[in-house]
Amino acid sequence: AQSVSQHNHHVILSEAASLELGCNYSYGGTVNLFWYVQYPGQHLQLLLKYFSGDPLVKGIKGFEAEFIKSKFSFNLRKPSVQWSDTAEYFCAVKGDSWGKLQFGAGTQVVVTP
Amino acid sequence: DTGVSQDPRHKITKRGQNVTFRCDPISEHNRLYWYRQTLGQGPEFLTYFQNEAQLEKSRLLSDRFSAERPKGSFSTLEIQRTEQGDSAMYLCASSELFGTGVRVETQYFGPGTRLLVL
Repeated sequence: AQSVSQHNHHVILSEAASLELGCNYSYGGTVNLFWYVQYPGQHLQLLLKYFSGDPLVKGIKGFEAEFIKSKFSFNLRKPSVQWSDTAEYFCAVKGDSWGKLQFGAGTQVVVTP
Repeated sequence: DTGVSQDPRHKITKRGQNVTFRCDPISEHNRLYWYRQTLGQGPEFLTYFQNEAQLEKSRLLSDRFSAERPKGSFSTLEIQRTEQGDSAMYLCASSELFGTGVRVETQYFGPGTRLLVL
């Protein structure tokens, strides 16, 4: 069965620190990859997505992610976080022939002032 | 606001009662998805529609669950004879599938309906 694994369930870091969240998936076919973010009290919002082409994709709010096909990974990065980045981050995978998104369990990120 | 809307936002019910949730997708989006999310987990797929056709149902969707999208616009998700294990956030998402070669699709989520079964 397909699965999506997020390496950390909780991350605590200080403002201006760099952030990297890991995401690995198990599916051998063509995939579309997404990172969604859920700020406290808000609904899931799309942070960035990869369909094809350049494996380094840039999203909103200074986030970027790199697709490494050989490692089945799609890690999320931000060079310098802000307090407002406190949120839960979800990696999601969609097989090319699927309708559904397969989500990871999420990573709760807390940024301290 | 032209995003996905869901109603109600919160529902408390007693075990054994039936509940119905509504989702209004982004206008002209042809795909509509239902997911369920429990604490500490990512959303889990339940079912989805393309226009009015229900194309896939998860094994999570027991026979107590039914979803409809009668005119290809809004959708309803009904849970009959609710159980405490049905307590969760029920999320709706919509998308517009386009392209003939590499088909791309981005799902946009609504705020969810939080169900508590007592």
